[in-house]
Amino acid sequence: AQSVTQPDIHITVSEGASLELRCNYSYGATPYLFWYVQSPGQGLQLLLKYFSGDTLVQGIKGFEAEFKRSQSSFNLRKPSVHWSDAAEYFCAVSGSARQLTFGSGTQLTVLP
Amino acid sequence: DAGITQSPRYKITETGRQVTLMCHQTWSHSYMFWYRQDLGHGLRLIYYSAAADITDKGEVPDGYVVSRSKTENFPLTLESATRSQTSVYFCASSDNVGSYEQYFGPGTRLTVT
Repeated sequence: AQSVTQPDIHITVSEGASLELRCNYSYGATPYLFWYVQSPGQGLQLLLKYFSGDTLVQGIKGFEAEFKRSQSSFNLRKPSVHWSDAAEYFCAVSGSARQLTFGSGTQLTVLP
Repeated sequence: DAGITQSPRYKITETGRQVTLMCHQTWSHSYMFWYRQDLGHGLRLIYYSAAADITDKGEVPDGYVVSRSKTENFPLTLESATRSQTSVYFCASSDNVGSYEQYFGPGTRLTVT
């Protein structure tokens, strides 16, 4: 069975600082990996996705993620965080029937 | 409006009552999904559907029933609501080619008293 672990429940960074959110997955085949963002009271918005090819993928809002098969990781990064990035971030892996298995999420707080 | 919608957005019901959450998408996507979101658990899959009249259980299906007679609709029914089903419910859809990306509705916040 597939699974996703987000080790950090809550991260606090200062505005303008760099950000890295960790994600580790378990899946038997080549994974399809996703990062979603959820603002308070809102639905989920896709930030980026990895299917194959280049292991560094670019997403919206200046985010990027790197797929490392050897470490079973798909960490999300942003060079300079903005106050509007405060939200909850979810990593997910897709199964063969397209269903998503999500991590438990990382809550990001941005200090002014 | 195009997209994926859920109704109602908020619902309070009593233990033991039947309640149905509606999901409608206008893209004619083949796949539709129901997730519940609870603090500390992220989103967990309840049921999914690969096409009209084809449904399958996800991780947490107990206490829920789904149907899909039309491609665009995927209602979720709690046959006899329990307090443990208090949650935020998200519907999502995905097409059957390429991307595997899922598009999420705005969610329904359900409280069972």
